[in-house]
Amino acid sequence: GENVEQHPSTLSVQEGDSAVIKCTYSDSASNYFPWYKQELGKRPQLIIDIRSNVGEKKDQRIAVTLNKTAKHFSLHITETQPEDSAVYFCAASKAGFQKLVFGTGTRLLVSP
Amino acid sequence: NAGVTQTPKFRILKIGQSMTLQCTQDMNHNYMYWYRQDPGMGLKLIYYSVGAGITDKGEVPNGYNVSRSTTEDFPLRLELAAPSQTSVYFCASSSAGKTGNTIYFGEGSWLTVV
Repeated sequence: GENVEQHPSTLSVQEGDSAVIKCTYSDSASNYFPWYKQELGKRPQLIIDIRSNVGEKKDQRIAVTLNKTAKHFSLHITETQPEDSAVYFCAASKAGFQKLVFGTGTRLLVSP
Repeated sequence: NAGVTQTPKFRILKIGQSMTLQCTQDMNHNYMYWYRQDPGMGLKLIYYSVGAGITDKGEVPNGYNVSRSTTEDFPLRLELAAPSQTSVYFCASSSAGKTGNTIYFGEGSWLTVV
């Protein structure tokens, strides 16, 4: 089955810096890659996703890139703000109904 | 449109007790899920359902049971609670498209077994 690895487990940056979180997946048939943000004590919430027919997607300060050949995808946050501090999860699944497989999470801390 | 609603939000159980976590969604999603999240860890799938009357095991189903009698409801039953079941439980739902399924989570249920 699919296996998703996520790095780093913890990331500390200064406000205004960029943050990059990387994930790799094992199943070459996977074609849907969402990213979830989970604030302390809250539910995971979708922040951006990408499908295999595109290599990059941007939404304001957040972007996701996908390299299907290398089977990895990354989350990029620019101009980080303290409210970006949270745990971020990547995930992967195949077409149609397939269970999402989550990475282990990255705790991002943005210091003022 | 409330999304995914789960109850209770907090519960303390004694070892050996049983309980049901309730989950309902009003988005007419076919697919529903139960995840557990241990402190500082990721999400592990307990059970899922692709429609009313159909359920299947996820990664960590032992000690749990589910049912799906309607599209809206997907309760999770804990039998003979054990300390290892202390966790945060998230119910979720999705409407899978041809190229992936966006999952929407409930607010979570914090369960402590003592």
